[in-house]
Amino acid sequence: DTGVSQNPRHKITKRGQNVTFRCDPISEHNRLYWYRQTLGQGPEFLTYFQNEAQLEKSRLLSDRFSAERPKGSFSTLEIQRTEQGDSAMYLCASSASGRSYEQYFGPGTRLTVT
Amino acid sequence: QKEVEQDPGPLSVPEGAIVSLNCTYSNSAFQYFMWYRQYSRKGPELLMYTYSSGNKEDGRFTAQVDKSSKYISLFIRDSQPSDSATYLCAILNRDDKIIFGKGTRLHILP
Repeated sequence: DTGVSQNPRHKITKRGQNVTFRCDPISEHNRLYWYRQTLGQGPEFLTYFQNEAQLEKSRLLSDRFSAERPKGSFSTLEIQRTEQGDSAMYLCASSASGRSYEQYFGPGTRLTVT
Repeated sequence: QKEVEQDPGPLSVPEGAIVSLNCTYSNSAFQYFMWYRQYSRKGPELLMYTYSSGNKEDGRFTAQVDKSSKYISLFIRDSQPSDSATYLCAILNRDDKIIFGKGTRLHILP
């Protein structure tokens, strides 16, 4: 098992463009989480999945953000019409069900919106 | 009041010293407490989690929870330059979500 992976590692885009990030969790983990982290802050929860079901979305997640986990394996996070305020590190984590306290993070995707 | 608060530092200590990192939290109902280490431009790495009160040790790292004062600590013995990173404390709240502190930047001076 190679841990949680995320692609791309870095994305530079112009304001107004759409971007999509991918996360591959640890294979036996059925929970998958998305977080956003800005400079000098801890990660902030965005949304999470139990298998393919999206169970909760933070109010931080505006209508321009959408996440999917179609077959309960990898997940994608899409941001439409990007804004400069979307510039951040987007982190994915996974855990086994019932062990939310034991989340393992991927390396993150750093988004820069110019 | 924020659910978990952490001094951002930076904290600089000489190599070999004992490091003490601390956080406070707001709700006595929290039961799970975690420490993550994050190197620059990398994802957070889980160091350890603790359930309820008491101490937990893993090599040079000891996590301590004092529920009476709502205080959590991480001690690093025999600190090494490779320990230089940001350390994030975190709690699992009643909604089963992890809430992180802002992180403390630690520098170990050779």
